[in-house]
Amino acid sequence: AAGVIQSPRHLIKEKRETATLKCYPIPRHDTVYWYQQGPGQDPQFLISFYEKMQSDKGSIPDRFSAQQFSDYHSELNMSSLELGDSALYFCASLVNSGNTIYFGEGSWLTVV
Amino acid sequence: KNQVEQSPQSLIILEGKNCTLQCNYTVSPFSNLRWYKQDTGRGPVSLTIMTFSENTKSNGRYTATLDADTKQSSLHITASQLSDSASYICVVTVYSSASKIIFGSGTRLSIRP
Repeated sequence: AAGVIQSPRHLIKEKRETATLKCYPIPRHDTVYWYQQGPGQDPQFLISFYEKMQSDKGSIPDRFSAQQFSDYHSELNMSSLELGDSALYFCASLVNSGNTIYFGEGSWLTVV
Repeated sequence: KNQVEQSPQSLIILEGKNCTLQCNYTVSPFSNLRWYKQDTGRGPVSLTIMTFSENTKSNGRYTATLDADTKQSSLHITASQLSDSASYICVVTVYSSASKIIFGSGTRLSIRP
């Protein structure tokens, strides 16, 4: 069965550069969440989308933005990268009326 | 304040042994509780999900229990294998808000041969 696909899996950027992470939810899933997990830390909710509209916002920095497209995939754009942005970013999807959340494998961002 | 606490923080057991991980939560109103397995550097993988009315749910060698009265859950792993080495995260969802997902800090489980 298809899972949540994230790309790229690994990314190395320099400070002040820009990065874009992509998330492709499971087909027919209309809700996407983005999380940031620093080394040894709990996942932190960043932002979520339902039917291409932002549904909730967590601890997402102003330097970050995200959107969900017509095909329900989502992109997380990160600008003016800082060393502290180095983390595992994973997205999750579900059918809004359902209970089960499926997580992607995550994208490792390293800022040097 | 909605919180999810897990214990122990870390656990080392020998291959083949059983173990039990604990999760206590103060989330209210409660919707459901999930246990996830997270290998280092990868996204969490769902093991079980339980709603208010469910007490026990099994997935192979994993058995989760839920006591909604005491707001406690446990994950029991039977006949551990080396591949069970991972972090196990308890995740509780607040009712009526799908985005209010509260993560526990996880238990780091290491299986020794």
